[in-house]
Amino acid sequence: ELKVEQNPLFLSMQEGKNYTIYCNYSTTSDRLYWYRQDPGKSLESLFVLLSNGAVKQEGRLMASLDTKARLSTLHITAAVHDLSATYFCATNFGNEKLTFGTGTRLTIIP
Amino acid sequence: GAGVSQTPSNKVTEKGKYVELRCDPISGHTALYWYRQSLGQGPEFLIYFQGTGAADDSGLPNDRFFAVRPEGSVSTLKIQRTERGDSAVYLCASSLTASNTEAFFGQGTRLTVV
Repeated sequence: ELKVEQNPLFLSMQEGKNYTIYCNYSTTSDRLYWYRQDPGKSLESLFVLLSNGAVKQEGRLMASLDTKARLSTLHITAAVHDLSATYFCATNFGNEKLTFGTGTRLTIIP
Repeated sequence: GAGVSQTPSNKVTEKGKYVELRCDPISGHTALYWYRQSLGQGPEFLIYFQGTGAADDSGLPNDRFFAVRPEGSVSTLKIQRTERGDSAVYLCASSLTASNTEAFFGQGTRLTVV
């Protein structure tokens, strides 16, 4: 079965702290995506990871991919309130459609 | 247009009625995708078009759901005999080509079946 699992599902963290969201997928895939979704809004593309060992950074967010472990991480550094949102990872399992995780709802507390 | 446009943004319909949801992709994007997102869940794939043809419709839940893209641009998702369980946000996305790495999502249509 093609599955994408994220943890944690809910994350409440203080401003200024660091944390990591984990994304595991069930079988070989050649692309891994991270999206952000604000309440009532659509999905905003954050990162596309295409190869083993890929690391991308944008501001306080950094994403990495380990294809051997079938694991991607989204690391948040020195969190700020503006990062509060739901974060989804997704992968294509070698075809054209995306399979999404259930999302991680992140709340940053002042 | 600048982004993927979906209309209407909200639709309330009675059980048993027929609805059409429209997606206008980014100009020049040949690949178009429909996803459905239930409350508190990640989006689930419905159907994908490459040009005018449906390349993969394996995610359509049953034969009440149908989608078209007659001229390779605008797509319409059609739902017959709507049921309360069809209530969700329907998201459309487009990408430059099918193998292009990045898909851009529209704002979605929130469908409520009462």
